[in-house]
Amino acid sequence: SQTIHQWPATLVQPVGSPLSLECTVEGTSNPNLYWYRQAAGRGLQLLFYSVGIGQISSEVPQNLSASRPQDRQFILSSKKLLLSDSGFYLCAWSRGLSSYNEQFFGPGTRLTVL
Amino acid sequence: QKEVEQNSGPLSVPEGAIASLNCTYSDRGSQSFFWYRQYSGKSPELIMSIYSNGDKEDGRFTAQLNKASQYVSLLIRDSQPSDSATYLCAVFRGSGGSNYKLTFGKGTLLTVNP
Repeated sequence: SQTIHQWPATLVQPVGSPLSLECTVEGTSNPNLYWYRQAAGRGLQLLFYSVGIGQISSEVPQNLSASRPQDRQFILSSKKLLLSDSGFYLCAWSRGLSSYNEQFFGPGTRLTVL
Repeated sequence: QKEVEQNSGPLSVPEGAIASLNCTYSDRGSQSFFWYRQYSGKSPELIMSIYSNGDKEDGRFTAQLNKASQYVSLLIRDSQPSDSATYLCAVFRGSGGSNYKLTFGKGTLLTVNP
């Protein structure tokens, strides 16, 4: 069976500090990977998605970036955090080459920027 | 016009009743439809997928899809307090190419009262 991991689970960072969130998937190959943010009182916002190693598509221009150094690893980064970056960050995966795109979420990272 | 709309709730039902959650979408080209359950502080969990018009049943859950009316619903029979959560509707256009975006509604908060 497939498993998706995210860490850390919670993070408190000062404004202007860097960020690195990691996501890994087990039990599948060539998954599509996604980063979402869920801010308080708002819906799920797709930030980035990747269909393969080194292939990143950005949905929302901002001070965040993503990388996919390995097939089942997805990293979300920032050089300088803003207060508005606070939220619940969710990594998700779906089967590559699927026309149905069922997405499965990891446990999430709750980020608070002070 | 919002792409995926849901009543924010809260929807309150007594234990043992049927809970009915509704969702409308704007893109007539949408092909795949999903319901996620999200407990407070947790990540979304996929509970139902539906791809063709009609009903799809899984245990106490029934998803209903009407593409002509651009409407998808989730019925929960014999509601239990453990069903209390936010339910997210998600839609996938499935246009092929590199479009893998799921569009989410903002969710309906369901409370089942003992």
